[in-house]
Amino acid sequence: DGGITQSPKYLFRKEGQNVTLSCEQNLNHDAMYWYRQDPGQGLRLIYYSQIVNDFQKGDIAEGYSVSREKKESFPLTVTSAQKNPTAFYLCASSIVAGLAGTIYSGANVLTFGAGSRLTVL
Amino acid sequence: DQQVKQNSPSLSVQEGRISILNCDYTNSMFDYFLWYKKYPAEGPTFLISISSIKDKNEDGRFTVFLNKSAKHLSLHIVPSQPGDSAVYFCAAQPSGTYKYIFGTGTRLKVLA
Repeated sequence: DGGITQSPKYLFRKEGQNVTLSCEQNLNHDAMYWYRQDPGQGLRLIYYSQIVNDFQKGDIAEGYSVSREKKESFPLTVTSAQKNPTAFYLCASSIVAGLAGTIYSGANVLTFGAGSRLTVL
Repeated sequence: DQQVKQNSPSLSVQEGRISILNCDYTNSMFDYFLWYKKYPAEGPTFLISISSIKDKNEDGRFTVFLNKSAKHLSLHIVPSQPGDSAVYFCAAQPSGTYKYIFGTGTRLKVLA
């Protein structure tokens, strides 16, 4: 079955440590995204990537880093510079409507993973 | 600056009745709007979308209405079922981008 796999589901970190959250998709989607969910604040975009070796900052990129070396993978590193890292992290992917070679038109619907909950002790 | 707003944090509805979830936006340059449903500790699942050139889209029990002059969209669920109890997010795609801006969510509780 095609989908998005996030790991680990739960992660505990001590202050000052970097951690990396994994996100893998087998949907052959071009675009991948990282969102963060905090109570009462909805989903906020951290980073997104349209193609391999390219990514852009979202609204709250400070203290985070990403890489996109493979189409299927978009890991997120939460660095010690992130002031308030305790949150629920969601990875998503989508096709890209209008991308060269695609015939799809319409909303590029995001497919989400099950999420990773990071707690800083 | 919150470009996509869901002003009602929660809503309770009797089973069988209509649920109406609302979403307001401030930017006219959105191409698409999506609605997602989310259960605790899970990723959101896609429900229904609408293009900015439409004013209505229907899929089974779910209908989304778009009022561009008011910068307002709503999701109607008829009839509501207990399994619909979840948090609902609206999301908007700015023109020329492939990212989405999400609202803060509305928690729907359908009472049996």
